[in-house]
Amino acid sequence: DIQMTQSPSSLSASVGDRVTITCRASQSINIYLNWYQQKPGKAPQLLIYTASSLQSGAPSRFSGSGSGTDFILTISSLQPEDFATYYCQQSYTTPLTFGGGTKVEIK
Amino acid sequence: QVQLVESGGGVVQPGRSLRLSCAASGFSFSNYGIHWVRQAPGKGLEWVAVISYDGSNEYYADAVKGRFTISKDNSKNTVFLQMNSLRAEDTAVYYCAKGGNYQNYLDYWGQGTLVTVSS
Repeated sequence: DIQMTQSPSSLSASVGDRVTITCRASQSINIYLNWYQQKPGKAPQLLIYTASSLQSGAPSRFSGSGSGTDFILTISSLQPEDFATYYCQQSYTTPLTFGGGTKVEIK
Repeated sequence: QVQLVESGGGVVQPGRSLRLSCAASGFSFSNYGIHWVRQAPGKGLEWVAVISYDGSNEYYADAVKGRFTISKDNSKNTVFLQMNSLRAEDTAVYYCAKGGNYQNYLDYWGQGTLVTVSS
């Protein structure tokens, strides 16, 4: 199985900050990497698919980059509604696997 | 708009069975694969299973292989997850999610249904 490792596991940031979250795959997954946002008590929502494509309805302050084994999710200017947990997920092969999550908290 | 609604969760004793349903609307159901993903209390996301758009292919996580079965009824726009020989470690919120265009990103999710395995 492909292991997905996210870092950091949590971070504290202020409104307006630029935030980056990294995700590393245990083997090359080409560009088959997706990012989700989850708020407490809610289902996850797709933000970015195939590494850098912005899902319809997701704010443009979210962007993704990377290929192979290393990927980055960037929030250009953190907004109050962005405080949540973020997960990466590889869709290169089954079993699909998720990273452990990054919790973004208010500083 | 796309909607996915799970049902069938509840409290069940270890070793017993439960069947979850996922009713879909707002998209061409027979053209997309459907996934189940679970989340244990306070934990991260764990992929469980997927069924292809036409129901001809199924894939499972090792943790549930041989115990869970996914099926798809295109005439009823519904996906099922039959869960047998349930264990305490199967306790989680179970989400169904729609697969993307020819790819396994999960673009729409249901609200989830809680399964608690406890004696």
